[in-house]
Amino acid sequence: EAGVAQSPRYKIIEKRQSVAFWCNPISGHATLYWYQQILGQGPKLLIQFQNNGVVDDSQLPKDRFSAERLKGVDSTLKIQPAKLEDSAVYLCASSLVLANEQFFGPGTRLTVL
Amino acid sequence: QQPVQSPQAVILREGEDAVINCSSSKALYSVHWYRQKHGEAPVFLMILLKGGEQKGHEKISASFNEKKQQSSLYLTASQLSYSGTYFCGTDSSGNTPLVFGKGTRLSVIA
Repeated sequence: EAGVAQSPRYKIIEKRQSVAFWCNPISGHATLYWYQQILGQGPKLLIQFQNNGVVDDSQLPKDRFSAERLKGVDSTLKIQPAKLEDSAVYLCASSLVLANEQFFGPGTRLTVL
Repeated sequence: QQPVQSPQAVILREGEDAVINCSSSKALYSVHWYRQKHGEAPVFLMILLKGGEQKGHEKISASFNEKKQQSSLYLTASQLSYSGTYFCGTDSSGNTPLVFGKGTRLSVIA
């Protein structure tokens, strides 16, 4: 069974630029999560999808972050414009159903200069 | 609210035991445990549901005390491969997003 795929693995941008991350969850997993993990901390949920609907986006900075999950499969997370404090690893995870075991992708390490 | 993990870090020699605690100020429905090795993604260990069920995974087991709103992860006869950062994630109702603690860094040395 293929795992959660993410790209790119690394990204370096200047502040005020935009960036997009892509995630392809495990086939058949209805729930998809985007987390932000700052060095030395636990993952912080940004947004959670159930199929192609948003379940929770209460911690997503909506003035600069956006995410979509078209057709209930893969997903894109965008930051526009980026700030220095956005430097972090962005993890995508999926689970078969809500509140179940989550499978994480390898993450995208974003550095904002 | 973010759960509190203790200790923040621990160093063990191979074969020693360790306990990692995860406490919440809110009533909990479930506690999830993950291990993350340096530079890698978190990997699922186990879920504990309300009811105080104790679970095991190889030589790693965990308990969930509803009254204390606390879960403990037990690592027995530690191996080098156990090194990493352990995170607990808590869920207060069964359909709310997980909130992860700051993690406990475990280092096992020969």
